[in-house]
Amino acid sequence: EAEVAQSPRYKITEKSQAVAFWCDPISGHATLYWYRQILGQGPELLVQFQDESVVDDSQLPKDRFSAERLKGVDSTLKIQPAELGDSAMYLCASSLVHRGQYEQYFGPGTRLTVT
Amino acid sequence: ELKVEQNPLFLSMQEGKNYTIYCNYSTTSDRLYWYRQDPGKSLESLFVLLSNGAVKQEGRLMASLDTKARLSTLHITAAVHDLSATYFCAVVRDSNYQLIWGAGTKLIIKP
Repeated sequence: EAEVAQSPRYKITEKSQAVAFWCDPISGHATLYWYRQILGQGPELLVQFQDESVVDDSQLPKDRFSAERLKGVDSTLKIQPAELGDSAMYLCASSLVHRGQYEQYFGPGTRLTVT
Repeated sequence: ELKVEQNPLFLSMQEGKNYTIYCNYSTTSDRLYWYRQDPGKSLESLFVLLSNGAVKQEGRLMASLDTKARLSTLHITAAVHDLSATYFCAVVRDSNYQLIWGAGTKLIIKP
């Protein structure tokens, strides 16, 4: 069964350092989402891609976060510099968006701890 | 603005009991999803409800959708410890295919 892949699974970094997360969506899924989930809360959408284009990045803290999906397949989310408040689970999801089908499939996530 | 409210946010129950989690949403949508999340893990899709009156069942979980009342329920029958998790409902915002999430219901089932 096809799955969304993410790496690394865990990342510990010191504040002010740079970190990067990678996501490979399910093959053929044109829409890709990055979420941040703080412990005890629901997922918060950071950025949505349709193929290689950003559809919505209104909740992305652009002073320190960036996201790209250059060839419309895999994607990278970067934080520079990391802050203590960035400690969270970062989830990638993909979906095959067509009429009536918007189900999002989630990867295993990257647990980030900033010290 | 589309908003999704779940209740209760926390539920502790005994094995063998029945209970229901409620998910209300504020504007018209005919697509609702239920996800499960185990501690420290990612989100797992449980049910996709696509039309008014839709009912889906998997084991001890049954989900239903009433689009007129803008209400979905997730019913747990004869709960077992393995169902302990956080359950999220999410509704599609048709304009941009984004999911609008409820806050989640943390379910603890005690032996």
